[in-house]
Amino acid sequence: KQEVTQIPAALSVPEGENLVLNCSFTDSAIYNLQWFRQDPGKGLTSLLLIQSSQREQTSGRLNASLDKSSGRSTLYIAASQPGDSATYLCAVRDGATNKLIFGTGTLLAVQP
Amino acid sequence: NAGVTQTPKFRVLKTGQSMTLLCAQDMNHEYMYWYRQDPGMGLRLIHYSVGEGTTAKGEVPDGYNVSRLKKQNFLLGLESAAPSQTSVYFCASMNPYLEQYFGPGTRLTVT
Repeated sequence: KQEVTQIPAALSVPEGENLVLNCSFTDSAIYNLQWFRQDPGKGLTSLLLIQSSQREQTSGRLNASLDKSSGRSTLYIAASQPGDSATYLCAVRDGATNKLIFGTGTLLAVQP
Repeated sequence: NAGVTQTPKFRVLKTGQSMTLLCAQDMNHEYMYWYRQDPGMGLRLIHYSVGEGTTAKGEVPDGYNVSRLKKQNFLLGLESAAPSQTSVYFCASMNPYLEQYFGPGTRLTVT
């Protein structure tokens, strides 16, 4: 059964710092991996989608990488800002079930 | 282009009452989903639909029913609400590239 883990569960950094969020999954048979942002009391906003054949995707200050063989993805945030404070979720689309399996998220706080 | 919308945003029910949550998407997506999000348990799939007129069970379907009479709408029903169904409910749709888009959520409290 596919399981997705995100470490750390919470992270606090000063403004301007570059940071990395980690996501690992147990079964490398995936269709894609998606990173989301969730603000308190709000829905999920899609940040980046990496297809299984891709190694990375970039959007503005965000860069996500995927290493399927090792079951890992990282989300790199450059020059962090207080507005980046949110919970970041990764999810893999499992190749066996075609279901989107979520991690439990990393709560990021960027201190001004 | 509103994306995925959900109504209502908030609702309080008494045990045993029924209600329907409405999800609408204007992106012409075939696939639609209902999730619930609970503290410490992440997002769990309740039901999903692969197209108009179809529905299928997800991970936690008990106590819920769904209907997809129109492609743009996906309804989630609670026939007899229980306190265990207190949660935040999210609807989502998926494009042909397997990217999911989520609605803003409905916060439901059952007393």
